[in-house]
Formats: sequence, structure tokens, C-alpha cells
Amino acid sequence: AQKVTQAQTEISVVEKEDVTLDCVYETRDTTYYLFWYKQPPSGELVFLIRRNSFDEQNEISGRYSWNFQKSTSSFNFTITASQVVDSAVYFCALSGNNDMRFGAGTRLTVKP
Amino acid sequence: ETGVTQSPTHLIKTRGQQVTLRCSSQSGHNTVSWYQQALGQGPQFIFQYYREEENGRGNFPPRFSGLQFPNYSSELNVNALELDDSALYLCASSLDWNGGEETQYFGPGTRLLVL
Repeated sequence: AQKVTQAQTEISVVEKEDVTLDCVYETRDTTYYLFWYKQPPSGELVFLIRRNSFDEQNEISGRYSWNFQKSTSSFNFTITASQVVDSAVYFCALSGNNDMRFGAGTRLTVKP
Repeated sequence: ETGVTQSPTHLIKTRGQQVTLRCSSQSGHNTVSWYQQALGQGPQFIFQYYREEENGRGNFPPRFSGLQFPNYSSELNVNALELDDSALYLCASSLDWNGGEETQYFGPGTRLLVL
């Protein structure tokens, strides 16, 4: 069965700190995709990244970076020099045939 | 802006009533998926439509039904509303899906409260 676990329910940091959000997944598929979405208080899910199971290269986009490790079934997300605007709930998700399986989310609060 | 819109933004219904939620996908997107997000939880997959046909369904009862139209709009219908149906309902559109090859872009959601 497919499953996504985000063990960190809430994280609170002070502005400019680095923060890593953990994501561990389970799947029997050999080809799959992993996603991160951000959900600000407005409620809309904002797409951040998609990574396929054959591409284990880390990715950096500005202050955001992602570390995909197939050996540990993890797809962690790091925000460098966090800002107040990064405050949101972050979801990791795993693709299925017709759907995405989401984790429970990590609520990140960045204090000024 | 994802180009995906939903209406209404908020809705209050009473138990036993029926509700229709609407979504307008990005132009050219053949696939629309609907998710239910209860408070404090991640979105749960309800079903997916591809070119007006249901293409997959999550663990939701038949009183949850949908339609997709040729003009890239779609509907989620829920009959015999229950208190537990109170949630944020999200639609997501993609060019296709192919097990995740395409990204799903989400609308702002409809917040449904059942009293």
C-alpha cells in the first residue's frame, strides 16, 4: 500500500534559521513521482516540486532545496534562511495510478 | 495563480441535503481530480475524471459523484450530507495524469460546513 509519513506535525523557527521538513514514503511501484505542496492560510495548495523515482539528484531552487534518497525512501525539503512568508502547512505527496497520496502535513511557523 | 477556479468559496448546508460544487480547470487540461481535506489533515482523493469519464476513485461512498464537461468545467455532487462531510473540497487539474507525469494544479477550494 502507498503511504506518506510526515512525522513533524509542527515546527517553529525564528526568521533566518534553516529548517528541514521530513517526508518518508512507502510504495511497491518502481516508477512513481513525489511532490511537495505549500498550503498558506488561504487554503490553496501551491505546487513546489515534482521528482520522479529515477532522478535522485538533489534540487535547489533559490532558498528551497530537496534531498531525495531512494535507499531510505525519503524526500526531505529544506528552506534556507527562512522568512515569515514561508509560514504555511507543507505537504509531501506520492503519485498513484489515478491519485496522489498526501502526508498529514507539517505546519511551519516562522517568527520574526 | 493556477488558472483553476472553484465556486462557491464557502457553503453551509444541513444534514441530509444535497450539494454541488463547481470547478473550472485550466484550458486544455483533460484531467480533473477532486480531494476532500478535513481540518488538520492532508487531502484525501475522492475521484478523477479524464475526458468526461471517471478514471479512478478513492474510498468514498457512491453518494459522492461527479461530472466533467467538454468546456473544462466539472462538478462534485454530494447527496445525503453528513456532519463528517464538513471539509475543504479541492479540485486539481492537469494536462493528463499518467501516474504523476503531469503536475496537478489546485484551485482555492470550497469550504463546506454541514450543520
